[in-house]
Amino acid sequence: DTAVSQTPKYLVTQMGNDKSIKCEQNLGHDTMYWYKQDSKKFLKIMFSYNNKELIINETVPNRFSPKSPDKAHLNLHINSLELGDSAVYFCASSQGEGLAGHTDTQYFGPGTRLTVL
Amino acid sequence: RKEVEQDPGPFNVPEGATVAFNCTYSNSASQSFFWYRQDCRKEPKLLMSVYSSGNEDGRFTAQLNRASQYISLLIRDSKLSDSATYLCVVNMYDSWGKFQFGAGTQVVVTP
Repeated sequence: DTAVSQTPKYLVTQMGNDKSIKCEQNLGHDTMYWYKQDSKKFLKIMFSYNNKELIINETVPNRFSPKSPDKAHLNLHINSLELGDSAVYFCASSQGEGLAGHTDTQYFGPGTRLTVL
Repeated sequence: RKEVEQDPGPFNVPEGATVAFNCTYSNSASQSFFWYRQDCRKEPKLLMSVYSSGNEDGRFTAQLNRASQYISLLIRDSKLSDSATYLCVVNMYDSWGKFQFGAGTQVVVTP
């Protein structure tokens, strides 16, 4: 059973389009995250949700809108895609909210490789 | 200055040798520390947490030096399968749920 799953795995689209990436975790975790890993391999947090509530919203263009219908799902919708949005997007989940120290192991999904042409 | 800094490498290590590398963090309020491993085009996976007193997991040893604000990872008896990028991760309790990732140190183990 996949702990954290993302769809699609690959996404190739034209500039200006709107696209969504879905994430689901079956670990019963309370917190979910979206990260962006660019061509320099640097993983940067974008959003974090705890029990469906937004707790972290980094400096991300408002073209990116996360939605958490329940605590097992965190989807990412991107409007008006730009070339610079090309990256690998990772979803992750953890049991705690980052306050419980070593119980906060993050489990990552396989990533969605987004290419904007 | 980046909050978490790592030597990008690559560290080219003969099979069976020992390799060690550090990660420095800028915020003294940092509370928990981890090493993750990322294989090419795959997701990061937890290698080990780093405890204040240092800890070992098989061939891997992690240390924390709060005074100098760095953590280290040592790999003994390197295997070909240890070739990967090792990501340092730091969490600060005053930044709720915010894990800071380093850019990674690449290790290449050669036969």
